[in-house]
Amino acid sequence: AQSVTQPDARVTVSEGASLQLRCKYSSSVTPYLFWYVQYPRQGLQLLLKYYSGDPVVQGVNGFEAEFSKSNSSFHLRKASVHWSDSAVYFCAVSLNTGNYKYVFGAGTRLKVIA
Amino acid sequence: NSKVIQTPRYLVKGQGQKAKMRCIPEKGHPVVFWYQQNKNNEFKFLINFQNQEVLQQIDMTEKRFSAECPSNSPCSLEIQSSEAGDSALYLCASSLGTDTQYFGPGTRLLVL
Repeated sequence: AQSVTQPDARVTVSEGASLQLRCKYSSSVTPYLFWYVQYPRQGLQLLLKYYSGDPVVQGVNGFEAEFSKSNSSFHLRKASVHWSDSAVYFCAVSLNTGNYKYVFGAGTRLKVIA
Repeated sequence: NSKVIQTPRYLVKGQGQKAKMRCIPEKGHPVVFWYQQNKNNEFKFLINFQNQEVLQQIDMTEKRFSAECPSNSPCSLEIQSSEAGDSALYLCASSLGTDTQYFGPGTRLLVL
């Protein structure tokens, strides 16, 4: 069975600083990997996804993520955060066969301070 | 931006009452998912459909939850007899299948 671990429940960074949110997965095969963001009282918005190929993928709003098969990780990064990036970030995985459902991590609540 | 539509946005029910929520997937997406997100941000997969047929559903949905995705009509998720523990955000998502899921804004259910 697949599982996703986001080890940091809360992260606080200063505006303009760099950011890394961690995600590790457990799966017998390399799954599809996703990062979503959830703003208050909203649904999930896709930031980026990885299926195969270049391990560094670019997403929206300056976000990128790096896949590491050896570490079973898919960490999210941003070079310079803005106050509007404050939200909850979820890592999710799915297999490319079967019922396609996602398995989510517990989320990381990001707070950007002035 | 996602084009998945969910109604209503908020739903308040008493214990034992029925609660029904609807979802219109993105046009052309044959696969529809329902997830429950609780106040601790834990997600629970409930059920998914492909072209109106159930792909998988968990035990909970087999007992008090019912769902359907008829052709040419919104998909729906109904809780037959609401319990306090059902209070959560219910998210509908759609996809082409083995691809990215696009989520609606959710229906927030409060069971008093």
